[in-house]
Amino acid sequence: ETGVTQTPRHLVMGMTNKKSLKCEQHLGHNAMYWYKQSAKKPLELMFVYSLEERVENNSVPSRFSPECPNSSHLFLHLHTLQPEDSALYLCASSQVPGRAEAFFGQGTRLTVV
Amino acid sequence: GDSVTQMEGPVTLSEEAFLTINCTYTATGYPSLFWYVQYPGEGLQLLLKATKADDKGSNKGFEATYRKETTSFHLEKGSVQVSDSAVYFCALLDRDNAGNMLTFGGGTRLMVKP
Repeated sequence: ETGVTQTPRHLVMGMTNKKSLKCEQHLGHNAMYWYKQSAKKPLELMFVYSLEERVENNSVPSRFSPECPNSSHLFLHLHTLQPEDSALYLCASSQVPGRAEAFFGQGTRLTVV
Repeated sequence: GDSVTQMEGPVTLSEEAFLTINCTYTATGYPSLFWYVQYPGEGLQLLLKATKADDKGSNKGFEATYRKETTSFHLEKGSVQVSDSAVYFCALLDRDNAGNMLTFGGGTRLMVKP
């Protein structure tokens, strides 16, 4: 299995739907991250969990709700999204403390219709 | 705060041309520096890294040297291939950064033509 696995790879949802993105890491890391990558915009850090506690929430709308039940799993629960939320959502993990790099999953391509 | 500035793309080169993608940074501490690559339809992959001044990171023919005096970490490759077409991200990790949060540049798209 690859280090960081995201499912699904592609998701199309209506604005009234509720869906969840899943991320699983097999690297023994203790920190996990959600990023949003939109066309022609910089990579946006959304949420950070370190040692299963949320340490960063960059003014993300409440229609995005993260969950980290343990150090290997991270979810992003989605509800009542807007078309502008369509993007590639990337999960990453790393080991804290330290200066090691983050490892990324392949992303979930989300389209809101 | 920390920031990373990359040259804007796209950069279009012919196969076997020399590549330079500029990256400069500002940081409050003594950061580690990284280059990530994103191939079409994929996530980010670590390409190379350097953790202290004058370190040279290298991988797959790409190189970058940590220059503290100029706060730069420029990416170079002597002879690019079509398969190098991707988006390249420069990033830093500040020692004083809780949660190991990377600061990314805006990305530079490289297009290599045969």
